[in-house]
Amino acid sequence: EAGVTQSPTHLIKTRGQQATLRCSPISGHTSVYWYQQALGLGLQFLLWYDEGEERNRGNFPPRFSGRQFPNYSSELNVNALELEDSALYLCASSIGRTLNTGELFFGEGSRLTVL
Amino acid sequence: AQSVTQLDSHVSVSEGTPVLLRCNYSSSYSPSLFWYVQHPNKGLQLLLKYTSAATLVKGINGFEAEFKKSETSFHLTKPSAHMSDAAEYFCVVSYRQGGKLIFGQGTELSVKP
Repeated sequence: EAGVTQSPTHLIKTRGQQATLRCSPISGHTSVYWYQQALGLGLQFLLWYDEGEERNRGNFPPRFSGRQFPNYSSELNVNALELEDSALYLCASSIGRTLNTGELFFGEGSRLTVL
Repeated sequence: AQSVTQLDSHVSVSEGTPVLLRCNYSSSYSPSLFWYVQHPNKGLQLLLKYTSAATLVKGINGFEAEFKKSETSFHLTKPSAHMSDAAEYFCVVSYRQGGKLIFGQGTELSVKP
């Protein structure tokens, strides 16, 4: 069974540009989560999508946005890139909404570098 | 409010010796707690989880953790370290129904031959 897949693996952009990152969850998983792992800042929750809708978002500016498609894949968009957006962006999926007993399955991440 | 604190940013052990990675949490209600591991240039993998069943939780690769409510701790242990255990370990607490996991800052485990 395929795991969570993310693309691209690496992405280099310049300040002010836009970046689009993609994620395909494990088959049967309806929830997709995005996390930012920046150097020295740990893992920060970005967004949670379930059944095509945004269910929760972390403390990030509106230029971080995304969507979930009918096939449950997801896209993260970062507009007006800033140097501090350089980070590893991790996508994870889970069965359903509750995190009480479930677990997140993570992809290997997309490394975004902003020059 | 929920939060999680990993008490050591870096732990170094010799191969074959015990591993102890410390984690304390704060939560206004019974939490779900997890340990995840991240090997270099890889995504995170779940090691084990506590969800209000047995307080001693066994995970993969010989790791286990004990939930101690009185101490608000969820320390990760392994009797004998292996070189392949070298990685970063994250203690995590979850918001119920919120779709949000709160990650600790991580503990980097080094294993010396």
